Amino acid sequence: GAVVSQHPSWVICKSGTSVKIECRSLDFQATTMFWYRQFPKQSLMLMATSNEGSKATYEQGVEKDKFLINHASLTLSTLTVTSAHPEDSSFYICSALRDRRETQYFGPGTRLLVL
Amino acid sequence: QQPVQSPQAVILREGEDAVINCSSSKALYSVHWYRQKHGEAPVFLMILLKGGEQKGHEKISASFNEKKQQSSLYLTASQLSYSGTYFCGTELGKLTFGTGTRLTIIP
Repeated sequence: GAVVSQHPSWVICKSGTSVKIECRSLDFQATTMFWYRQFPKQSLMLMATSNEGSKATYEQGVEKDKFLINHASLTLSTLTVTSAHPEDSSFYICSALRDRRETQYFGPGTRLLVL
Repeated sequence: QQPVQSPQAVILREGEDAVINCSSSKALYSVHWYRQKHGEAPVFLMILLKGGEQKGHEKISASFNEKKQQSSLYLTASQLSYSGTYFCGTELGKLTFGTGTRLTIIP
């Protein structure tokens, strides 16, 4: 199979702190990884596309200085929410692409609550 | 622009059939279908490629009309486990998710 993990599953933090979320493809090398955000009762919205060894491509309206993405290897991408505020509270989901002819494989998601 | 799904929500009794539609304003190369349970990540159901045949298995299948830029997901003899929110995803270099359809199956 194609398994993607995320860590942590849940994080609660105080306003102003930074939070790092890891996304790993466990049994395959991912050519590309994606980061999504989902607010309650809404669809998944793509935040950025990440390729190993290069800068992430951010979607319109997503602040790249606030959501730092590092794609260190073909199996690991990290999303850091810097100076988090309550409005950043959301469900963050990563996905990994093994082959362009296939679909994306999703991680289990990370629920972030900023107090 | 985000694909539009219809209906927004539907409630069925176990054993009934459902059709979920996905419509895009842009030309499509492929359509992906996912089901998401509350609090969980989306689970891949199937992918339909341009020029490909209708895909699926006995009770969950889908079609893709390239000219109309539409796709439909068919759920036959629905089971309680089918409850969740269904999303179509259209790929134009990246996956753009539809507005979602919340499906509730009741006994």
